[in-house]
Amino acid sequence: TQLLEQSPQFLSIQEGENLTVYCNSSSVFSSLQWYRQEPGEGPVLLVTVVTGGEVKKLKRLTFQFGDARKDSSLHITAAQPGDTGLYLCAGDLNAGNNRKLIWGLGTSLAVNP
Amino acid sequence: DAGVIQSPRHEVTEMGQEVTLRCKPISGHNSLFWYRQTMMRGLELLIYFNNNVPIDDSGMPEDRFSAKMPNASFSTLKIQPSEPRDSAVYFCASSFIGLQYFGPGTRLTVL
Repeated sequence: TQLLEQSPQFLSIQEGENLTVYCNSSSVFSSLQWYRQEPGEGPVLLVTVVTGGEVKKLKRLTFQFGDARKDSSLHITAAQPGDTGLYLCAGDLNAGNNRKLIWGLGTSLAVNP
Repeated sequence: DAGVIQSPRHEVTEMGQEVTLRCKPISGHNSLFWYRQTMMRGLELLIYFNNNVPIDDSGMPEDRFSAKMPNASFSTLKIQPSEPRDSAVYFCASSFIGLQYFGPGTRLTVL
């Protein structure tokens, strides 16, 4: 069974701190997606990375895809309480449309004011 | 667009009862996914449809679970009979070019 491992599982930090969360696998993915889920809501897509070594920025969030396309990281600069939520990564093992994704268990982030 | 619509948002039922969850995908999306989320196992794919046809149902726990997609704008997930271990949040997601858009989920509690 292909798995995506996310670390850390839980993270509690103060407003203004920086943090990095990780998504690792032994499998190679054609693309990898990051989602954020807030309590009582469904996951919301943040970004998709496709090319090995790719870096994408979304305001204070920086996403990187590993060179071998087996892992990814999400770095948040100057975290704010609004960043609180469950961060999920999901990998696509196959190129093409509408394939099922392999999901990690998520990193639960709490940013305290 | 209203996004993916799920109903009901909350369902409390007793063991042995039939439960039907409903989903309306985003118009124009041709894939639909049913997931179950629990603290212990995270987000698990139950089944997905492509152009209304079930493609992979390997995640459906057992025969008590069934899913249908009679047309492009509607899908149901049915549990009969329900058991306490089915308690979870059930999400429907629709997809376009591989990007999945989730509904708000149905929180199911089986007593």
